[in-house]
Amino acid sequence: EDQVTQSPEALRLQEGESSSLNCSYTVSGLRGLFWYRQDPGKGPEFLFTLYSAGEEKEKERLKATLTKKESFLHITAPKPEDSATYLCAVQARDSSYKLIFGSGTRLLVRP
Amino acid sequence: DAGVIQSPRHEVTEMGQEVTLRCKPISGHNSLFWYRQTMMRGLELLIYFNNNVPIDDSGMPEDRFSAKMPNASFSTLKIQPSEPRDSAVYFCASRLGDQPQHFGDGTRLSIL
Repeated sequence: EDQVTQSPEALRLQEGESSSLNCSYTVSGLRGLFWYRQDPGKGPEFLFTLYSAGEEKEKERLKATLTKKESFLHITAPKPEDSATYLCAVQARDSSYKLIFGSGTRLLVRP
Repeated sequence: DAGVIQSPRHEVTEMGQEVTLRCKPISGHNSLFWYRQTMMRGLELLIYFNNNVPIDDSGMPEDRFSAKMPNASFSTLKIQPSEPRDSAVYFCASRLGDQPQHFGDGTRLSIL
């Protein structure tokens, strides 16, 4: 069964304190891995798609990496506005549309 | 550009009442998704439409749930009769081809 596990469930950082969020997955062939950001009372906002092991993508203070078993979302020198829940989702090769979401990591960055 | 628009943003109603949630996808997108988000189960896909045709409704929990997409710019998710366990945040998402899904801001539904 396809599965996504995110850790930690919650993370508190001081502004400027870099860290990483983990997304471990099991899927019958990976079509793509997606990272979304969700603010309270809002819908998930698309960040990145990764397709193959070794791939990396960056956006401002965020960098996503992918291996055959997991993905990391690295946050460099975070700011309070980076506080949000970060969701990881996988799409299996045999599906053109279905995303399996993890339960998310709630990130709080304190000034 | 306008994103996915959902209405209402909040709905509080009594058990047994009919609930209708509405979604306007991003113009030009040809796929539409309805999701439900709860603390216990996270984000779950309820139904997927492609070119206005329901392709996968295996996530619809019961016959009390139904969804329609009469045209490319409008979809509804209906619950009749509603039950307290249906309380959740319901999201609509759309995409073009194989591009990533873009989500609306959801409807927070409370069934008393």
